[in-house]
Amino acid sequence: NAGVTQTPKFRVLKTGQSMTLLCAQDMNHEYMYWYRQDPGMGLRLIHYSVGEGTTAKGEVPDGYNVSRLKKQTFLLGLESAAPSQTSVYFCASSGIAGGPETQYFGPGTRLLVL
Amino acid sequence: GQNIDQPTEMTATEGAIVQINCTYQTSGFNGLFWYQQHAGEAPTFLSYNVLDGLEEKGRFSSFLSRSKGYSYLLLKELQMKDSASYLCAPMDSNYQLIWGAGTKLIIKP
Repeated sequence: NAGVTQTPKFRVLKTGQSMTLLCAQDMNHEYMYWYRQDPGMGLRLIHYSVGEGTTAKGEVPDGYNVSRLKKQTFLLGLESAAPSQTSVYFCASSGIAGGPETQYFGPGTRLLVL
Repeated sequence: GQNIDQPTEMTATEGAIVQINCTYQTSGFNGLFWYQQHAGEAPTFLSYNVLDGLEEKGRFSSFLSRSKGYSYLLLKELQMKDSASYLCAPMDSNYQLIWGAGTKLIIKP
């Protein structure tokens, strides 16, 4: 039981390049989330999903796209990376749709955009 | 708007007790979570309060006052491994977590 996993762990991009971050969970959770964490700031929600095939915008969705083709996986895409997207990205999942369920986090992806 | 306020940094001595306060304003309320985050790692769940009062779990306790928009995390018998950031996160009416910037706790021998 791996919980929530993320790939890659670390990536360096040049401005304008694209990439996809992968999140996978083996807890059969309905909800999945993508956050970014910057120094001195709280976690900010980028996009989330309430179930397979569904996605919704969070607090800071601009410049990112997501897809949830399978219940177990949630992809975060950067079409044209910008230095402002340098951050640590965390994926999380939780069990019950629309309920106060605990979120479980992956280990994070550290992204540097030059 | 939605707002979370907790101290940026606190220092305490090994073996002592420390209380980390959090005040919040949210659109609706569905409980409050506390998470621990060691440097370079992911946040991990510590506690959840939805009713007023104190919830105790080993060395850690969490308190909630919904009328005051206030919570605290109490850590007893501090150990060096408790050096970490502690994140306060109330849940709003849409069941979204609103995250504070966290309190960095430094434990000194």
